[in-house]
Amino acid sequence: DIQMTQSPSSLSASVGDRVTITCRASQTISRYLNWYQRKPGKAPKVLIFLASNLQSGVPSRFSGSGSGTDFTLTISSLQPEDFATYYCQQSDSTPFTFGPGTKVDIK
Amino acid sequence: QLQLQESGPGLVKPSETLSLTCTVSGGSISRSSDFWGWIRQAPGEGLEWIGSVYYSGSTNYNPSLKSRVTISVDTSKNQFSLDLNSVTAADTAVYYCARDLEYYYDSGSYSRYFDSWGQGILVSVSP
Repeated sequence: DIQMTQSPSSLSASVGDRVTITCRASQTISRYLNWYQRKPGKAPKVLIFLASNLQSGVPSRFSGSGSGTDFTLTISSLQPEDFATYYCQQSDSTPFTFGPGTKVDIK
Repeated sequence: QLQLQESGPGLVKPSETLSLTCTVSGGSISRSSDFWGWIRQAPGEGLEWIGSVYYSGSTNYNPSLKSRVTISVDTSKNQFSLDLNSVTAADTAVYYCARDLEYYYDSGSYSRYFDSWGQGILVSVSP
């Protein structure tokens, strides 16, 4: 199985901050990397697919980059509704695997 | 807008079978570019993909659960289902159903991602 790691595991930030979350795969996955946001009691929501493609309806302050084994999710200006947990997920091969999550909370 | 809703018992006894159904509305489960998947999250743990099914009935399973899992589809009801047998306390989790979308690009290449999710259902395994 491909193992996914994320850093940091949690971070505190203020509204307006630029936030960067990193995801690393245990082997190369080309660009088959997706990012999800999950808020307490809610279903996960896809933000970015295929490393850098913004899902329809997702604000443009979210962006993704990377290929191979190293990927980044960036929130250019953190908004109050962005406080949540973020997960990466590889779709290069089954079994699909997720990162452990990065919790973004209010400083 | 596509909506998915999980249903099933919230409590299952050890060694029994956990059975959940996902009802899809706002779209057809028979669309050719779609798989339909189950994902779970145990308390304090990460998200775990259980498996996915195509409308034809073709399946992919996580090898860690493959011996205990069956995912099936009922196109007449626009539903797909999860059966997990011989459950233990370790199977206590929130179970999500999701559309496992095939996204085509660059003349034949494709990627998959979970673009629509149900709200999730907590299933506890306890005597």
